[in-house]
Amino acid sequence: DAGITQSPRHKVTETGTPVTLRCHQTENHRYMYWYRQDPGHGLRLIHYSYGVKDTDKGEVSDGYSVSRSKTEDFLLTLESATSSQTSVYFCAISIGQAPNTGELFFGEGSRLTVL
Amino acid sequence: GESVGLHLPTLSVQEGDNSIINCAYSNSASDYFIWYKQESGKGPQFIIDIRSNMDKRQGQRVTVLLNKTVKHLSLQIAATQPGDSAVYFCAENEGAQKLVFGQGTRLTINP
Repeated sequence: DAGITQSPRHKVTETGTPVTLRCHQTENHRYMYWYRQDPGHGLRLIHYSYGVKDTDKGEVSDGYSVSRSKTEDFLLTLESATSSQTSVYFCAISIGQAPNTGELFFGEGSRLTVL
Repeated sequence: GESVGLHLPTLSVQEGDNSIINCAYSNSASDYFIWYKQESGKGPQFIIDIRSNMDKRQGQRVTVLLNKTVKHLSLQIAATQPGDSAVYFCAENEGAQKLVFGQGTRLTINP
């Protein structure tokens, strides 16, 4: 499982509340990613990180922010959750060292429901 | 814009038969492709990858074929087993280790 832990695994919250999802890895991999998975859309990249304090946007970054203050933790924050952010969120790490190796290892997912 | 897609959202095969899952891509600059398997309630799991300088790659019971002329990728699973039931995603590399995923094909195995 490449030592990836996501928390919480399930969360129900109300519209307008802040939510933070945590991804923790134990193997000091450089690249970490947050994806969301929705029916009909597959997996879409939200944000990714290529090192401590180095992050960049993916294709669906609006409404999300991330932080990476330590190699092992990558946090995804919804500042003010909306119903459209109800989804399953997956954290992933890349074990490749060179560019364009691309193989990702995924966590078990965090199911978020925004009421 | 560039996209990765799948020809069929569902595929049903008899146990023991071979399965073929197809994927079309539109970014001719993509040079790396991956197939993932996702079982219910779990995260996607790497199956096999292929680079654009290859047209075929084999793994254990799986083969990936790449046809760059028509921008087509396929995953072949030999002697399909009940444990192969899952959703299968193709993905292409957009650079900087970012993957773009297709919508997935659900493979169902009939006894």
